Amino acid sequence: QKEVEQNSGPLSVPEGAIASLNCTYSDRGSQSFFWYRQYSGKSPELIMFIYSNGDKEDGRFTAQLNKASQYVSLLIRDSQPSDSATYLCAVNGDDKIIFGKGTRLHILP
Amino acid sequence: EAEVAQSPRYKITEKSQAVAFWCDPISGHATLYWYRQILGQGPELLVQFQDESVVDDSQLPKDRFSAERLKGVDSTLKIQPAELGDSAMYLCASSLPPVAGEGDTQYFGPGTRLTVL
Repeated sequence: QKEVEQNSGPLSVPEGAIASLNCTYSDRGSQSFFWYRQYSGKSPELIMFIYSNGDKEDGRFTAQLNKASQYVSLLIRDSQPSDSATYLCAVNGDDKIIFGKGTRLHILP
Repeated sequence: EAEVAQSPRYKITEKSQAVAFWCDPISGHATLYWYRQILGQGPELLVQFQDESVVDDSQLPKDRFSAERLKGVDSTLKIQPAELGDSAMYLCASSLPPVAGEGDTQYFGPGTRLTVL
């Protein structure tokens, strides 16, 4: 069974610090990787996608992919209270996207 | 900005009743997905359409759930009869076919929160 694993948290980070969210996946043939943010009671909102090994930056967000280690991460710089949410990692392999259970992030004012 | 539309936003029903959810994807998105998300879990794919055809319904409980996308645009997900364990958020998402630089990014609608009493 193909799996996507995330630490459920909560991960508590002081305001202004860097939040680091991690995700591992089991399907070595996975091609595309996504990070979604989900506020309580709301639907997932796309933050970033990444396809190639290395880093991809978008504003305060950086996605990092290491296919050899089957590992993808999301860094949030200068964390803000509005970043407090659940972050879902999603991985696409064989035309099927599998979501992790999400990591709850809490930014401490 | 184009968005995925869903209705209703909230639905309360009694067990054994029938419920239906509607989704209108972003214009031009050929692929449509229905997910179920239980509190504290990630979204679980129920069914995936490519145009009007079902691509994957392996996780759809076919004894009580049905889904259709007759004209390849909007879609309906039905549950009959509803059970207590069906209480969850039902999410619809859509995507373009994979292309360079965009891939198969899914965009979600606001969801329908179902409560079965």
